[in-house]
Amino acid sequence: SQQGEEDPQALSIQEGENATMNCSYKTSINNLQWYRQNSGRGLVHLILIRSNEREKHSGRLRVTLDTSKKSSSLLITASRAADTASYFCATDAGIQGAQKLVFGQGTRLTINP
Amino acid sequence: DTEVTQTPKHLVMGMTNKKSLKCEQHMGHRAMYWYKQKAKKPPELMFVYSYEKLSINESVPSRFSPECPNSSLLNLHLHALQPEDSALYLCASSQPRSRGLNNEQFFGPGTRLTVL
Repeated sequence: SQQGEEDPQALSIQEGENATMNCSYKTSINNLQWYRQNSGRGLVHLILIRSNEREKHSGRLRVTLDTSKKSSSLLITASRAADTASYFCATDAGIQGAQKLVFGQGTRLTINP
Repeated sequence: DTEVTQTPKHLVMGMTNKKSLKCEQHMGHRAMYWYKQKAKKPPELMFVYSYEKLSINESVPSRFSPECPNSSLLNLHLHALQPEDSALYLCASSQPRSRGLNNEQFFGPGTRLTVL
């Protein structure tokens, strides 16, 4: 079963606006990760937030984590056309040494010039 | 070198063919992964190798056979596939988890597989 569910499924905004994507999950986690995927290509890791962290920043990215609500959000500020991609959250359901990432359904973000 | 390479980029095969997908990394990562991704869907984990040993098999049909010859290479052998196996196959690598810490995964560009 899917661990992460994301909303919205698709988001279209104007360049320069902020984009917010949300992710919900069902079980306890060690961390939650966000990845970006350009059309038909490999995924690129954006940011990792640990279960004992509430907020994390990286450049124009801001991630929050609410473990009581089992939810996370990704904010991209001052969006650019190059930010057009699919964004996935992923939680680790693995044990011991092996990661077992379970991805959410993803949000398709379109930045209009 | 922070790159994961995958070959071939595209593969078309018949249901009776045998083919292999290859993945390579030189980041010293000791965990490697195969994912399957259908169009407009998230990646789904297939296999995980940790220290060159298979540690997770997500109930993948035996027509998919993984192999990890050494710490830098990961293969996926394909035999008697079905048209529904057509997908993007992604390889990834990472450091194995240690002391409760998790690490980002580095993904290759994928192999686009079409089964006729």
